[in-house]
Amino acid sequence: EPEVTQTPSHQVTQMGQEVILRCVPISNHLYFYWYRQILGQKVEFLVSFYNNEISEKSEIFDDQFSVERPDGSNFTLKIRSTKLEDSAMYFCASIRMGLNTEAFFGQGTRLTVV
Amino acid sequence: SQQGEEDPQALSIQEGENATMNCSYKTSINNLQWYRQNSGRGLVHLILIRSNEREKHSGRLRVTLDTSKKSSSLLITASRAADTASYFCATESIQGAQKLVFGQGTRLTINP
Repeated sequence: EPEVTQTPSHQVTQMGQEVILRCVPISNHLYFYWYRQILGQKVEFLVSFYNNEISEKSEIFDDQFSVERPDGSNFTLKIRSTKLEDSAMYFCASIRMGLNTEAFFGQGTRLTVV
Repeated sequence: SQQGEEDPQALSIQEGENATMNCSYKTSINNLQWYRQNSGRGLVHLILIRSNEREKHSGRLRVTLDTSKKSSSLLITASRAADTASYFCATESIQGAQKLVFGQGTRLTINP
């Protein structure tokens, strides 16, 4: 069964460093998302991406965050200068088409900022 | 902005019993979805119910949707120890780029 894959599974970084989280969505999917989940808390929407551009972003997704789809398969989330409060699980998700379709989530990247 | 809220926040029952989790939301939706998350793992889609549907079944899962009350329930029948996980409802708004807005989740523990 096709799945969304994320790498790395765990990333430890020093405060102020840049990190890139990588995702390979399911190949025929068109909509891509990043969510984050601070330990024990709710899953929060960060950004959605369609047709090679951001279609919506949340207040969390400030200038320190960016997304790219550098080729036909990868979808990346970059945090330019990490803060302690960026520590969380980051989930990538993809949807095949628009309305009323399920989202497929990756297993997540646990980011720890020290 | 809309926000799904589940209750209870935690539920502990004996294996074989039924588990019911509720979700409320605030704005108009295209659909409501339920996801499961094992500890430290990703979210797995369980079931999607559209705004024009009132009830849906999938195996041991039964979901209801009441758009007039802006609420949904997830029933797991004949629970098993393997059902232990966190369960989240997520709503897809009629506006926006098909993003999902998640609730706080219900932590379900099935005791053998």
